[in-house]
Amino acid sequence: NAGVTQTPKFQVLKTGQSMTLQCAQDMNHEYMSWYRQDPGMGLRLIHYSVGAGITDQGEVPNGYNVSRSTTEDFPLRLLSAAPSQTSVYFCASSYKAVYNEQFFGPGTRLTVL
Amino acid sequence: DQQVKQNSPSLSVQEGRISILNCDYTNSMFDYFLWYKKYPAEGPTFLISISSIKDKNEDGRFTVFLNKSAKHLSLHIVPSQPGDSAVYFCAASEDQDSNYQLIWGAGTKLIIKP
Repeated sequence: NAGVTQTPKFQVLKTGQSMTLQCAQDMNHEYMSWYRQDPGMGLRLIHYSVGAGITDQGEVPNGYNVSRSTTEDFPLRLLSAAPSQTSVYFCASSYKAVYNEQFFGPGTRLTVL
Repeated sequence: DQQVKQNSPSLSVQEGRISILNCDYTNSMFDYFLWYKKYPAEGPTFLISISSIKDKNEDGRFTVFLNKSAKHLSLHIVPSQPGDSAVYFCAASEDQDSNYQLIWGAGTKLIIKP
């Protein structure tokens, strides 16, 4: 099993550009989530999904969209990148919900100029 | 307003000794707590958890203690090993049956000295 995979590992964008961060898991987990990690702060939840076709907002959803058309994939879209979105992004999945052990991807380091 | 606080950004411990990492929280509705460990350039990995109905949970060298009245939890690592050098995050969740959000502390960087 590959676990949770994320692509790309690194990305540089210009302000206003859009892009999609990819996340996939092969563990048949129902719960998937996206976090961002900024220096000196804990991980903050952007969006999450409790199953295919179901998504909801987390703590910091503005500027991001998600969709969950399959159990395996949970892409994160940046609509119009801003320097404030410079961060490290982690995707995670777990069997049921957040209190179960979450498995994290290796992260995507995004810089917005 | 940080609901989960890890007040020590870093901690240095001699190999073989006990490492104690602390975490405080303000939300009395939190009922489930988790510790994750993170190496550079990797995602966090789950370490140990505790439910609010317990005050201690042990897994090998790792023990988590929960003091609900003080809204404080701690992670003990005994004995500390070089591979334990990492950033440790505590996280909390309220209402484990219906809530899907974890609130994370800022992390403590643990350095194990040989």
